Order: sequence, then C-alpha cells, then structure tokens
Amino acid sequence: EPEVTQTPSHQVTQMGQEVILRCVPISNHLYFYWYRQILGQKVEFLVSFYNNEISEKSEIFDDQFSVERPDGSNFTLKIRSTKLEDSAMYFCASGPLLTDNGYTFGSGTRLTVV
Amino acid sequence: KQEVTQIPAALSVPEGENLVLNCSFTDSAIYNLQWFRQDPGKGLTSLLLIQSSQREQTSGRLNASLDKSSGRSTLYIAASQPGDSATYLCAVRLNAGNNRKLIWGLGTSLGVNP
Repeated sequence: EPEVTQTPSHQVTQMGQEVILRCVPISNHLYFYWYRQILGQKVEFLVSFYNNEISEKSEIFDDQFSVERPDGSNFTLKIRSTKLEDSAMYFCASGPLLTDNGYTFGSGTRLTVV
Repeated sequence: KQEVTQIPAALSVPEGENLVLNCSFTDSAIYNLQWFRQDPGKGLTSLLLIQSSQREQTSGRLNASLDKSSGRSTLYIAASQPGDSATYLCAVRLNAGNNRKLIWGLGTSLGVNP
C-alpha cells in the first residue's frame, strides 16, 4: 500500500537554528499538508498546498515557516529560526484529487528544540 | 469556530469487551469525519472515514457512526484485544472546496488488558 514517507524521524536542533523537515507524498496525490502535535495537545493544522501554492494556512504558520515542493516528489517544511515552543511532532499528509477520499499521513518527525 | 471533543479521555477495559468511544463537534456543517489510531510516539493511521451523507462505516471489528445533526460520532470496537491499545482520534473536515483542513479532538487513550 502506498505510503507517505517522512525524514528524519527525530531531529534535535538548537534554538535559533533552521530546520527542514522532509516528506515524500504518495505519487498521484495532489494535495499536501503539514500538521503538528505538541506533546499532550491536539493535532493542529499548519498549512495546505495545492497546485504549487499554499491554499490555506493557520495562524501558527507565520513568517518563520515556509513550504516548498522543490522537485515534484518532495514536500518540505522549513522553520527558519526555531524556538523552544516549536518542539512537537510534525506530520505530513497527502490526499488525492477526489474529495471523497481521506488523507494518508506519514509517521511524523519529532522535532526537539533545545 | 469548530471544536471537537472526545469522551472519555482514557479508558481501560479487559480483553474481549465491546466498547464505544465518543466524538462530538460543535458545527454540524461538516464534509466528513475520520477516525484515526495513534500508537505512542508514532504516526496517524486512518481507520474509518464517514461522509456527511452517511450514517455509518464498518471495517472488521470497528464500526463508526455519524449523527451530523446532533454533532456526534461513535467508534464501536467489538471484542477488544490488547493490540487495540492506542489513542483514538477523531477529526472533521469542514467543507468540500480547497479548504480541506482537519479539526481534531484530543483523543481517547485506550488500554486493553489481557
């Protein structure tokens, strides 16, 4: 069964450093998402991406965040200057064109900012 | 603003018991509702998706129901097994357009004791 692949599975970074989280969505999917889950809290929507542009973003997704689909297969989330409160599990998801179908999530990247 | 609530927050049952997990949402204008499973420190696995026009969906020992007008969904697990121990999350999608974000509950942590 097709999978969404995320790398790395765990990243530790120092406060103020830039990090890039990587995702390989399912190949024929057209919608791409990033969500995050701070320990003990709800999963939160960050951003959705369709047709090579952001289709929606949350209040969390400020100027420190950016997304890119650099080569038609990878989908990345960049955090420019990490803060302690960015520590969370980050999930990538992809979805097909047909709106009746659900999403497929990756196994997540645990980001720890120290 | 859509809010999703899951009750109970935690549940511990002996193996073999049938159980029901509850999800409620404040805005009945949803497009679909999805139930996920999350193992500790792991990703999000989709279990069942119910469209707004549907009343229930079944997969193996799992049955999910949806009462959109009252803003409720239940996940029924029959003949529970220790391997069912995980956190179960429900998430609603608001509408059919390019706004496809999911709004999540906090989850029910289920423990099934052998």
